[in-house]
Amino acid sequence: NAGVTQTPKFQVLKTGQSMTLQCAQDMNHNSMYWYRQDPGMGLRLIYYSASEGTTDKGEVPNGYNVSRLNKREFSLRLESAAPSQTSVYFCASKAFSGEHNEQFFGPGTRLTVL
Amino acid sequence: GDSVTQMEGPVTLSEEAFLTINCTYTATGYPSLFWYVQYPGEGLQLLLKATKADDKGSNKGFEATYRKETTSFHLEKGSVQVSDSAVYFCALPNTGFQKLVFGTGTRLLVSP
Repeated sequence: NAGVTQTPKFQVLKTGQSMTLQCAQDMNHNSMYWYRQDPGMGLRLIYYSASEGTTDKGEVPNGYNVSRLNKREFSLRLESAAPSQTSVYFCASKAFSGEHNEQFFGPGTRLTVL
Repeated sequence: GDSVTQMEGPVTLSEEAFLTINCTYTATGYPSLFWYVQYPGEGLQLLLKATKADDKGSNKGFEATYRKETTSFHLEKGSVQVSDSAVYFCALPNTGFQKLVFGTGTRLLVSP
């Protein structure tokens, strides 16, 4: 099993450009998540999908949209990138809702917006 | 609301030294508690967890005990190695279990 995969690994954008970050998991998990990681701030949740067909906002959703394409895939879109969106983005998945289950993380996408 | 507080880093140790990374939390009830580790250039991976009070989670020589009296889940290892150099995150599920709430992370640097 590949686990959680993310593409691309690195990306540089100019202000105002758009892009989509891709995430896929092969563990048949129901829940998927997008986080951003910034120095000194830990991980902050952008959006999540508790199950196929549902998406909800996290702590920092402004400037982002998501699509739960199917059970495996959960994409994150930046419509008009801003320098404040320079960050490392992590996708994660979890088998199902419930407090005891761990989240599995992808390797991350390092995004720079100039 | 639910929150996690971790000690500021970096923590700098020599190989074979004893490690403690402090974590305290605020939560409704008694949620599961997690420690995740992030090695350089990688995503987070679960290091250990405890699902109820007084449980001890352990893995790879690391241990943490769920203390509800002090609302703490401190991470310890008796003898660190250079390969333990990483960022360590304490986390718990929020009320409703939709997401994990993370601390800001503690960087550990181990020198030979």
